[in-house]
Amino acid sequence: DAGVTQSPTHLIKTRGQQVTLRCSPKSGHDTVSWYQQALGQGPQFIFQYYEEEERQRGNFPDRFSGHQFPNYSSELNVNALLLGDSALYLCASSLGTREETQYFGPGTRLLVL
Amino acid sequence: QQQVKQSPQSLIVQKGGIPIINCAYENTAFDYFPWYQQFPGKGPALLIAIRPDVSEKKEGRFTISFNKSAKQFSLHIMDSQPGDSATYFCAASGSARQLTFGSGTQLTVLP
Repeated sequence: DAGVTQSPTHLIKTRGQQVTLRCSPKSGHDTVSWYQQALGQGPQFIFQYYEEEERQRGNFPDRFSGHQFPNYSSELNVNALLLGDSALYLCASSLGTREETQYFGPGTRLLVL
Repeated sequence: QQQVKQSPQSLIVQKGGIPIINCAYENTAFDYFPWYQQFPGKGPALLIAIRPDVSEKKEGRFTISFNKSAKQFSLHIMDSQPGDSATYFCAASGSARQLTFGSGTQLTVLP
């Protein structure tokens, strides 16, 4: 049973650039949530996708956008990168938007120089 | 009101000890309280979770105690092992199912 997978594992970008991160949910799951984890802190909720639509959004600027594909995989896009966007970006999957249990992927480590 | 406060920030115990990590929340709409374990360079892994209608839940060496009136919950790790050395996060969610995490506790279990 494949767990949540994310790509790439690491990424280095410069300020002002744009980045796309990818996530495949756990087999059988249809809901994907994205979190940002700064170094030494707990993850913070960015947004949730279900049925190819953004269902919920945390306190993040609209430089952060996403997409969900018909196969339930998802992308996180960040435009106009800032130094403060350097973090571990985590994808979590669940079955439906009301399911409590979320399973996390290994994350993508983004460094903005 | 969305915060989850976690303490201590770090904890060192001897092998076999019982580390206890505490969390407190304000939002009474929260109805699901999971604990995650995270190793360096890895994503958080779900350890155990509880709902507010239960005061205690045990799974293996991990126990959650929940005090609804005080809006507090804690994780106890029985017979701790060096392999338990990791960062532990408490979290909470309501009906919207977006997790609000605590700030984490770095646990070190000495051999």
